[in-house]
Amino acid sequence: AQSVTQPDIHITVSEGASLELRCNYSYGATPYLFWYVQSPGQGLQLLLKYFSGDTLVQGIKGFEAEFKRSQSSFNLRKPSVHWSDAAEYFCAVAPNNAGNMLTFGGGTRLMVKP
Amino acid sequence: DAGVIQSPRHEVTEMGQEVTLRCKPISGHNSLFWYRQTMMRGLELLIYFNNNVPIDDSGMPEDRFSAKMPNASFSTLKIQPSEPRDSAVYFCASSSSGRNIQYFGAGTRLSVL
Repeated sequence: AQSVTQPDIHITVSEGASLELRCNYSYGATPYLFWYVQSPGQGLQLLLKYFSGDTLVQGIKGFEAEFKRSQSSFNLRKPSVHWSDAAEYFCAVAPNNAGNMLTFGGGTRLMVKP
Repeated sequence: DAGVIQSPRHEVTEMGQEVTLRCKPISGHNSLFWYRQTMMRGLELLIYFNNNVPIDDSGMPEDRFSAKMPNASFSTLKIQPSEPRDSAVYFCASSSSGRNIQYFGAGTRLSVL
């Protein structure tokens, strides 16, 4: 069965600092990979996705993620964090076939210091 | 598009009462998902419909939970009878078959007293 691990439950960064959120997955083949963001009291919003091709993918709000097959990782990055980025971030995987089911990681809560 | 619409946004009920949560997926999407989010267990997939047919309900906690999708534009998640441990945020999401991108509603926060 596939699984997703987000090792960091909480992360605090200063506004303007760079950010990297870690995501590791366990799956027999290369899955489809996603990052979602959840602001307080809101649903999940898709930040970016990887299906195939270029392993560095760009998303909304200045985020990017890099797929590293050798490390089974899909880490999310942002060069300069804004206070509005404070939220919970979820990594998710789906089998690379027609199925739509996602498996989510436990989430990382990001806090931004002024 | 208005996105995935869930109602109500908040529900407070007493133990033993029936609770019905509603979801309207994005028009044209043919897959619908119900999730539950709690601090202890994170995001859990409860049930997944494709073309209005339940495909995987292995995440439904017990017989007190039931879900229906009578047509492509409406789904319900019912809890009868409700218990305090059902308190959580329930999300509905929809997607187009083969696209693997799920779009989430704003959720229903359920409190069972």
